Amino acid sequence: ILNVEQSPQSLHVQEGDSTNFTCSFPSSNFYALHWYRWETAKSPEALFVMTLNGDEKKKGRISATLNTKEGYSYLYIKGSQPEDSATYLCALNAGNNRKLIWGLGTSLAVNP
Amino acid sequence: EPEVTQTPSHQVTQMGQEVILRCVPISNHLYFYWYRQILGQKVEFLVSFYNNEISEKSEIFDDQFSVERPDGSNFTLKIRSTKLEDSAMYFCASSVSRATGELFFGEGSRLTVL
Repeated sequence: ILNVEQSPQSLHVQEGDSTNFTCSFPSSNFYALHWYRWETAKSPEALFVMTLNGDEKKKGRISATLNTKEGYSYLYIKGSQPEDSATYLCALNAGNNRKLIWGLGTSLAVNP
Repeated sequence: EPEVTQTPSHQVTQMGQEVILRCVPISNHLYFYWYRQILGQKVEFLVSFYNNEISEKSEIFDDQFSVERPDGSNFTLKIRSTKLEDSAMYFCASSVSRATGELFFGEGSRLTVL
């Protein structure tokens, strides 16, 4: 059974701090890695879809890296703002069948 | 900006009753999905749908569940004879491509089974 792990489970930072969290997945089964941002009472919003080892993607203050050989992806937030408070989910696509396997998420709280 | 819409936002039902959750995917998307999240647990895949048929389903998606696209715009999830453990947030999603297309989610339908 494929499993996706995220750490830490939760994180509290001060406004302006930079932070990062990890998504780990089995390196033997990889097709794509998705990152989603999920604010309370809203729907998950796609941040990145990453496919290539060594990929690095950026959207504003948020960036992500991917290492498919060792099975991890990092999500970085530079200069956290209160509006970044959300749960950040990663999901593994382990084949071309489009079934995503989800992590439990990292809950980020940014204090003003 | 196009979005996926879901109705109802919250439904309370008695155990054993049938429930239909409705979704309107983004109009040019071809792939449709239902996911659910039981409180405190991981997001779980239920089913994917393409070209008017199920392309994949999870072990959760047993004979109690069914999906259809009755009119080319709506995408429905029917749960027959609901059980207490069906209480969850049900999310519809759609994507434009199968390969690495990001999923666009609706805001979810909260189902409470009493």
